[in-house]
Amino acid sequence: GEDVEQSLFLSVREGDSSVINCTYTDSSSTYLYWYKQEPGAGLQLLTYIFSNMDMKQDQRLTVLLNKKDKHLSLRIADTQTGDSAIYFCAVQGAGNMLTFGGGTRLMVKP
Amino acid sequence: DVKVTQSSRYLVKRTGEKVFLECVQDMDHENMFWYRQDPGLGLRLIYFSYDVKMKEKGDIPEGYSVSREKKERFSLILESASTNQTSMYLCASRPRLAGLYEQYFGPGTRLTVT
Repeated sequence: GEDVEQSLFLSVREGDSSVINCTYTDSSSTYLYWYKQEPGAGLQLLTYIFSNMDMKQDQRLTVLLNKKDKHLSLRIADTQTGDSAIYFCAVQGAGNMLTFGGGTRLMVKP
Repeated sequence: DVKVTQSSRYLVKRTGEKVFLECVQDMDHENMFWYRQDPGLGLRLIYFSYDVKMKEKGDIPEGYSVSREKKERFSLILESASTNQTSMYLCASRPRLAGLYEQYFGPGTRLTVT
């Protein structure tokens, strides 16, 4: 089945850019998502990208997709303390099912 | 506004007890899911349902069962709780769409089995 990998932890200073990386195995993936989980809450969709796109920008968020390397990244510009959360990469594959990565905990230091 | 609610935020149960986790969504979604979330392992799919009375096993169904008697409600049942089922349980729902879709999540139930 699909395998989705993320690094566990990222620490940045307030105002810096954060880059969260994700790799996946299924080359037939159609849509790729980033979800955010704040403490004590469920997951909320942050952004997504179609598999035929290389980049998507949405305000402070930039998603980059390298299909050849099966690599997805989320860049958060001007990171704020309110961005501290767990970020999950999710890949939509066969049967429209989502496979989630292990999550990256982003800590933003003031 | 889509709302997925779960019956409890925190639950403490003893080993061997039968545990019911309830999930309700108010958006008439066909598909509903139960995941467990453990540090470093992400979300693992336990069961999902694509219609009333229909269910499919996910990646880790052992020790769990589910019930979907009404479209808006999806229950997760631990027949005999064990300590290795201590975890965060997340319910989700989505419409039955072939392409891009958002999966909406409940706030989670943190279950501790002692």
